[in-house]
Amino acid sequence: NAGVTQTPKFRVLKTGQSMTLLCAQDMNHEYMYWYRQDPGMGLRLIHYSVGEGTTAKGEVPDGYNVSRLKKQNFLLGLESAAPSQTSVYFCASRHRDRGRRDTEAFFGQGTRLTVV
Amino acid sequence: AQSVTQPDIHITVSEGASLELRCNYSYGATPYLFWYVQSPGQGLQLLLKYFSGDTLVQGIKGFEAEFKRSQSSFNLRKPSVHWSDAAEYFCAVGAFYGGSQGNLIFGKGTKLSVKP
Repeated sequence: NAGVTQTPKFRVLKTGQSMTLLCAQDMNHEYMYWYRQDPGMGLRLIHYSVGEGTTAKGEVPDGYNVSRLKKQNFLLGLESAAPSQTSVYFCASRHRDRGRRDTEAFFGQGTRLTVV
Repeated sequence: AQSVTQPDIHITVSEGASLELRCNYSYGATPYLFWYVQSPGQGLQLLLKYFSGDTLVQGIKGFEAEFKRSQSSFNLRKPSVHWSDAAEYFCAVGAFYGGSQGNLIFGKGTKLSVKP
């Protein structure tokens, strides 16, 4: 099973360049998330989505945009990369079942982004 | 709004000793609580979760956690630590209802080192 797949795994950008990180999940999960992980800061939520066509801001949304045109994909965009966006980015997804019980999040392996 | 506090940034224990990692949360309704573990350079793996019911939950790798509503805590414990438990541990709280439905917030993590 593929689970949650992030593309690319590594990337180096120059300041001002743009890029899109792709997250794909094959578990038919409703919820999807983008986090950034920095030393000493834990995982901080950038944006999340509770369903196809819907997105919401997390803790640190500035400088990022997201889209969820298809249920299985969640894209994170950087329009004009800055050195402060150097980080490891994780995507996650989780299911909300019919019993209205929450479920755990499944994570991708991360994307290491360096902005120079 | 949800928040998670992990008071201990770094803990060192001897192999075979017991372990307790602290987690305090802030959330207005019934929380959904999780503990994840991350080995260096890896993604996150779920250790255990709490939704409702028995306040003592068992997880993988011999870990357990106890939910204490009166103390807003969800501490992780293990009776005897193994060298392979050295990793970073993250507590997380999920929101199921209300305006932040679907939100999933992590603490800053506790790094565990194990002495031989």
